[in-house]
Amino acid sequence: QVQLVESGGGVVQPGRSLRLSCAASGFTFSSYGMHWVRQAPGKGLEWVAVISNDESNKYYADSVKGRFTISRDNSKNTLYLQMNSLRVEDTAVYYCARSSPTDYWGQGTLVTVSS
Amino acid sequence: QSVLTQPPSVSAAPGQKVTISCSGSSSNIGNNYVSWYQQLPGTVPKLLIYDNNKRPSGIPDRFSGSKSGTSATLGITGLQTGDEADYYCGTWDSSLSAGVFGGGTKLTVL
Repeated sequence: QVQLVESGGGVVQPGRSLRLSCAASGFTFSSYGMHWVRQAPGKGLEWVAVISNDESNKYYADSVKGRFTISRDNSKNTLYLQMNSLRVEDTAVYYCARSSPTDYWGQGTLVTVSS
Repeated sequence: QSVLTQPPSVSAAPGQKVTISCSGSSSNIGNNYVSWYQQLPGTVPKLLIYDNNKRPSGIPDRFSGSKSGTSATLGITGLQTGDEADYYCGTWDSSLSAGVFGGGTKLTVL
């Protein structure tokens, strides 16, 4: 069965960095694009970034452009989100999701940016 | 301020039908497929509808989707108390080159 497991969340100070991982199993990871979507506490869904199956295309939300980098390692079936210059407003649960359609989501990992 | 506009809340009685609207523009809904997600309290979002009107396996036909121009609609018939959740529309925005979601609609089954 398809599984997506995020890790790497935690508490970090503003301005610092964090790298999230999403381990995929149960499907041919290298055949699918992948998204990161986040949800701030008590708020709605916010799309963050997407990467094509072969890493040739990457797109970002304006709110994270220039600070976050999406990448993947198809040999390890793993998706990454490198988050730099973190801000308080980046506090959220971060989900990875398979595309397209976005039919499978991970359980999410909580990132808290606080001094 | 979300790119896609949804009503903050809707309500209806058990057994009744409800519709949730999602309004956008030509750069998003008007020229791209729409998906709908259900998020029950404390859970991960779940795909209900994709490509405007298709249901993933396991999603009952009580849930339906449609699109007309720059708006999309989610319909739910035979409402159950278990349908109480937040519902989100989502699509791609070709001008922004970014994914976009609606602000979400909270469904209350009275």
